[in-house]
Amino acid sequence: GENVEQHPSTLSVQEGDSAVIKCTYSDSASNYFPWYKQELGKGPQLIIDIRSNVGEKKDQRIAVTLNKTAKHFSLHITETQPEDSAVYFCAASGGSYIPTFGRGTSLIVHP
Amino acid sequence: DGGITQSPKYLFRKEGQNVTLSCEQNLNHDAMYWYRQDPGQGLRLIYYSQIVNDFQKGDIAEGYSVSREKKESFPLTVTSAQKNPTAFYLCASSMRDREETQYFGPGTRLLVL
Repeated sequence: GENVEQHPSTLSVQEGDSAVIKCTYSDSASNYFPWYKQELGKGPQLIIDIRSNVGEKKDQRIAVTLNKTAKHFSLHITETQPEDSAVYFCAASGGSYIPTFGRGTSLIVHP
Repeated sequence: DGGITQSPKYLFRKEGQNVTLSCEQNLNHDAMYWYRQDPGQGLRLIYYSQIVNDFQKGDIAEGYSVSREKKESFPLTVTSAQKNPTAFYLCASSMRDREETQYFGPGTRLLVL
C-alpha cells in the first residue's frame, strides 16, 4: 500500500518567516495530494491541494509543489502569522481508494 | 448549509460500557470514514464505507464496530473490547472517487471514567 512520510514533526519559526513542510510517498500511481490544517480541538480542514498534472499551485501565502519523478511534495507558507500555528497533514491518494496521511507537522509561529 | 456533524462533542465511558459516536453528513457523499487521533499523533483509520450497507476495516478496527444503513449516517460504536478508548475521534466524508477531498467533522473526544 501507499506510505507517506512527513518532515519535520515540529517546526518553530518567527512571525514573518517562511515555513516549509515536506512529504514523500511510495505509490507512483498516487495522483492527488491535499494538505490539511488542524487547529487545536478541531477537525482538519483542507487548505490547498494539487493533482499530478500540475507542478505548483499557489493561493495567497500558501503554495504547494509536486515532483512526481522524485515522489515528493511540499507545502510552503510565506510571511507566517501567529494564526498559522496549527498541525498540518499531507496526504496522497489515487493509487488506492483510501487516502494515506502523513503523521503531521506541528507549526509554531512566534510573535 | 452543507457539512458534516459529529455528536456529542465530549463522551464519557464507564468500564465495560459500549458507547456510540454519531456522524451525519448532508453533502451527498458516498464515502465516509472514521479516524482515531491520539495526542501528538497522526490519523489512524478505524473503518470506512464506500457505499450504503457496505464497510471495510481500517488499520485499527479491533474493539470498534460501525453500520451504514443510510447514506447520510455512519455511527461508530466503541465496544468494551477496546481497552484504551481515550482519544479524539474524527469522521470524514468524500465523493466516491479516489481523488477527492475528505471533509472532516469537528470531532468527538472520548474519555474513560
